[in-house]
Amino acid sequence: ETGVTQSPTHLIKTRGQQVTLRCSSQSGHNTVSWYQQALGQGPQFIFQYYREEENGRGNFPPRFSGLQFPNYSSELNVNALELDDSALYLCASSYRTGETSEQYFGPGTRLTVT
Amino acid sequence: AQSVTQLGSHVSVSEGALVLLRCNYSSSVPPYLFWYVQYPNQGLQLLLKYTSAATLVKGINGFEAEFKKSETSFHLTKPSAHMSDAAEYFCAVSARGSYIPTFGRGTSLIVHP
Repeated sequence: ETGVTQSPTHLIKTRGQQVTLRCSSQSGHNTVSWYQQALGQGPQFIFQYYREEENGRGNFPPRFSGLQFPNYSSELNVNALELDDSALYLCASSYRTGETSEQYFGPGTRLTVT
Repeated sequence: AQSVTQLGSHVSVSEGALVLLRCNYSSSVPPYLFWYVQYPNQGLQLLLKYTSAATLVKGINGFEAEFKKSETSFHLTKPSAHMSDAAEYFCAVSARGSYIPTFGRGTSLIVHP
């Protein structure tokens, strides 16, 4: 069973640029969530996709956008990067069943904005 | 809205000592509760979860947590700390029917030899 993978591992961008982060869900999972984890903080929910539809969004501006593909891989796009966007970005996949589902996290992408 | 508060950003114990990491939740109805561990430069790994079955939940690596509704708490314990337990621990809550957990700020567990 392949776990959740993310690419790239690290990324350095300049303020104002755009970035795309990628996630490959665990096999059989139909839901993917993205989180932003600033240094010394807990993960903050950005949004979630279920069967290619956005299914919930946290308190993040529209310049944070995403996609989920038919093979359940996913992308997080961030436009007009700001210095405060520097963080670890985590992807988590799950399979919905019952009233809750266990999330499996990838190792994250460390984004640095200069 | 659900929220969790983790008391203590850092907890320091000696190897072999009891580990106690505190988590209090806020929810209008009994929620689902989770503990995750994060090792340096890694993603989060689920330790255990409470989903309204037994109030004492056993997880991986010898950890367990007890759901106490009267205290709105879900503290994480381990009888004897190992050096390998040094990591960041996150408590999380989600409402029934929600697939989106809310995480606490985390507690860094430091284990001294």
